[in-house]
Amino acid sequence: NAGVTQTPKFRILKIGQSMTLQCTQDMNHNYMYWYRQDPGMGLKLIYYSVGAGITDKGEVPNGYNVSRSTTEDFPLRLELAAPSQTSVYFCASSYPMEPQHFGDGTRLSIL
Amino acid sequence: AQKVTQAQTEISVVEKEDVTLDCVYETRDTTYYLFWYKQPPSGELVFLIRRNSFDEQNEISGRYSWNFQKSTSSFNFTITASQVVDSAVYFCALSLTGGGNKLTFGTGTQLKVEL
Repeated sequence: NAGVTQTPKFRILKIGQSMTLQCTQDMNHNYMYWYRQDPGMGLKLIYYSVGAGITDKGEVPNGYNVSRSTTEDFPLRLELAAPSQTSVYFCASSYPMEPQHFGDGTRLSIL
Repeated sequence: AQKVTQAQTEISVVEKEDVTLDCVYETRDTTYYLFWYKQPPSGELVFLIRRNSFDEQNEISGRYSWNFQKSTSSFNFTITASQVVDSAVYFCALSLTGGGNKLTFGTGTQLKVEL
């Protein structure tokens, strides 16, 4: 049982490039989430999904897009990367009203 | 909107000391969940405990204990006889029972346990 798997673990992007952070879970969880963690800060919610085909914005959605075509996968797309998007990104999943399980994170640097 | 405050940015203790991490929350909702997560130096997030707003019983799990007080909107976490392996960042978080159960995190407390 892999849990929540995020790829890649590390990535360096140039300003203006685009990329997709992958997240997949094998626990058949309905809910999935993307958070970002800036140095010395707590995690902030970017987007979340309560089921396949349903997504909604969190606290800091600007500059990001998501899709949820299957229960297992919840990719996060960065368009036109900016230095302000340098962060550690965490994907999480859960059943309704159950604790969230987190992936190991993707460390992204934009130079 | 919800808010979680962890006023202690960093705490340093000597091994075997007891340490309490403070968490104060704000919400207008009457039903919610409170959480503690641990983030060791390796970076992953480890779930420690969840309490719902109707259950104010304190909980003890080994060297860990949690004190939930609705009257002061606090959910404090105590580690008894701390060990070097407890060194980590600890996050308190809150979620409502609806709306996708989104987590609102505090800014975390860095705990350093030294020999």
